[in-house]
Amino acid sequence: QKEVEQNSGPLSVPEGAIASLNCTYSDRGSQSFFWYRQYSGKSPELIMSIYSNGDKEDGRFTAQLNKASQYVSLLIRDSQPSDSATYLCAVKRSSYKLIFGSGTRLLVRP
Amino acid sequence: GAVVSQHPSRVICKSGTSVKIECRSLDFQATTMFWYRQFPKQSLMLMATSNEGSKATYEQGVEKDKFLINHASLTLSTLTVTSAHPEDSSFYICSAFPLSTGPNTEAFFGQGTRLTVV
Repeated sequence: QKEVEQNSGPLSVPEGAIASLNCTYSDRGSQSFFWYRQYSGKSPELIMSIYSNGDKEDGRFTAQLNKASQYVSLLIRDSQPSDSATYLCAVKRSSYKLIFGSGTRLLVRP
Repeated sequence: GAVVSQHPSRVICKSGTSVKIECRSLDFQATTMFWYRQFPKQSLMLMATSNEGSKATYEQGVEKDKFLINHASLTLSTLTVTSAHPEDSSFYICSAFPLSTGPNTEAFFGQGTRLTVV
């Protein structure tokens, strides 16, 4: 079992729709969770971080964390073509190592 | 926000030669930096943890004699790919946390280095 799992996609949504990205993790002791966006050939850029159970909203993005289910999600409202990218879920270990999922490719159709 | 600078952004080298990649934290100090490798259409795989003033710790399956890491100061870590072969062609990315970081601090990433071995 991989430590961080994501559906590779691609997830295709029409412009203006809500995109829902999901991630599960295996280490129940994990405390910090991150969503990164990565464009082809570029480094990851941080979209959201979340540390407590529940929802965290920032503009069009909402991260959701459920530690009991070991589940993290990212919702993107009013999706735009510029949101088309690979979204990486990452979990930070106590050693500060960031472990990444395989990423979900999102395609937003104009 | 904090900046991590990685150099070079692209490098092409001949098989059998060595390549050095630098990772600098420009406006903060970092006792620990991390090196990742990413193959096309795959995720970032952690290679090693670079520790200032001590030996790097490598993830399982990563050859420490092939990927030499030096963390000589609180702002600079280098990764040297020795005797490079075409299968080492990949995107290499470094990241760092500020020295005073708590558990809920984000990592800052370098721009990445695209290595092509011919």
